[in-house]
Amino acid sequence: GENVEQHPSTLSVQEGDSAVIKCTYSDSASNYFPWYKQELGKRPQLIIDIRSNVGEKKDQRIAVTLNKTAKHFSLHITETQPEDSAVYFCAASRDGGYQKVTFGTGTKLQVIP
Amino acid sequence: DVKVTQSSRYLVKRTGEKVFLECVQDMDHENMFWYRQDPGLGLRLIYFSYDVKMKEKGDIPEGYSVSREKKERFSLILESASTNQTSMYLCASSVNTEAFFGQGTRLTVV
Repeated sequence: GENVEQHPSTLSVQEGDSAVIKCTYSDSASNYFPWYKQELGKRPQLIIDIRSNVGEKKDQRIAVTLNKTAKHFSLHITETQPEDSAVYFCAASRDGGYQKVTFGTGTKLQVIP
Repeated sequence: DVKVTQSSRYLVKRTGEKVFLECVQDMDHENMFWYRQDPGLGLRLIYFSYDVKMKEKGDIPEGYSVSREKKERFSLILESASTNQTSMYLCASSVNTEAFFGQGTRLTVV
């Protein structure tokens, strides 16, 4: 089955700096890679996703890159703000039909004002 | 807005009890999932269902079972609760690919 590894487990950055979280996956058939943000005491929510036919996707201050050959994908947050502080999860699944979504172990991001 | 609702926010049960965690979604999603969330281990899939009465084991199904008699409802059952099942349990539903999560049930087994 799929195995998703995520690094680092914790990350502290100064407000305004960039943050990068990296994930690797094992199943070459995976073709959908979402990122979820979980604020303290709240449920995880999708913030951005990328499919295997795309190398990069941006949405305002967040971007995700995908390297299919190396089987890794990354989340980039620029100009970090205190409200970016949360736990971030990467995930991988196969698109279509029913999908088993495999999550990484999470990265706790702290943005220091 | 998609709504995924879990029946309890907090539960305390005794070792050996049979425990039912209920999840209801209101968007007619085919796929429903149960995860447990533990510090440092992320979200681990217990069971998922892609249709009524259909179920598939996830990565950590031991000690759990599930029931899906209606499309909108997916129940997680702990047959005989043990202390190592103390955790946060998250239900999710999905259409296409995005998963929508419930608010979570923090279960403590004493």
